[in-house]
Amino acid sequence: GAVVSQHPSWVICKSGTSVKIECRSLDFQATTMFWYRQFPKQSLMLMATSNEGSKATYEQGVEKDKFLINHASLTLSTLTVTSAHPEDSSFYICSASGQGAGRPKAFFGQGTRLTVV
Amino acid sequence: DAKTTQPTSMDCAEGRAANLPCNHSTISGNEYVYWYRQIHSQGPQYIIHGLKNNETNEMASLIITEDRKSSTLILPHATLRDTAVYYCIVSLNQAGTALIFGKGTTLSVSS
Repeated sequence: GAVVSQHPSWVICKSGTSVKIECRSLDFQATTMFWYRQFPKQSLMLMATSNEGSKATYEQGVEKDKFLINHASLTLSTLTVTSAHPEDSSFYICSASGQGAGRPKAFFGQGTRLTVV
Repeated sequence: DAKTTQPTSMDCAEGRAANLPCNHSTISGNEYVYWYRQIHSQGPQYIIHGLKNNETNEMASLIITEDRKSSTLILPHATLRDTAVYYCIVSLNQAGTALIFGKGTTLSVSS
C-alpha cells in the first residue's frame, strides 16, 4: 500500500537553532500534505495544509514565520521549525493524500520527536 | 473541532471482540466515517472507512447505523498489539480535506 516516510524520527536541537523535517510520499503523488503537532497525552492538532506549488495554509494560532512549510514537489514536503525554543518540543506528524493512492484516505508518516534543549 | 464523540477508554480481553462506539450526530450526507489508530509514539494508522454501508477488511469491521448518526468499529479478535488510541473521524472524501482528530478512545487489551 501507499507509504509516507518522515525523516528524521527524532531530533534534539539547541534553543535558537532551526530544524527541518521531511515528509515523502513513496509510491503516490501527494497533491496535498498536512502537518500536525501532538503534545504528550493530547490528540493531533492540525498545523497547516500545503498544496504542491503553492503557499501553505496555516491554522489559527500557528505562526507561519516560525513553521516554514515547503511543498515543492508532488512527493516531498518539508517543515522547518525556525529559532526553536523548548516550548516547540513536540511530536510532529505529516500526512499525505492525493491521486494514485488507491484508496480515498490520508496516509501518515511515522512522526518526528523534536526536543529543544 | 472534531464532530465525533467517543468514550475515553475501554478494556478488552485478548482474543475477544473489541467494539468501539462513535457518535457523529451532525454528520453531513457526503461525509465519510474514518477510523485510525495510533500506537504509542507512532503516526496514525488507517483502519477502515465507510459512507453508508457496513464495511469489512482484514483489520476490522465498521458498522454504520441507518441514520448514520453513529458507528461501531469491531476488532473481531483483539490482541495485545491492538492496544492503541482509536480515532473516529468524519470527513469529506477529498484529497485536500484534512482529518480533524478528536480525543479518541484508548483501548487496552490485556491477557
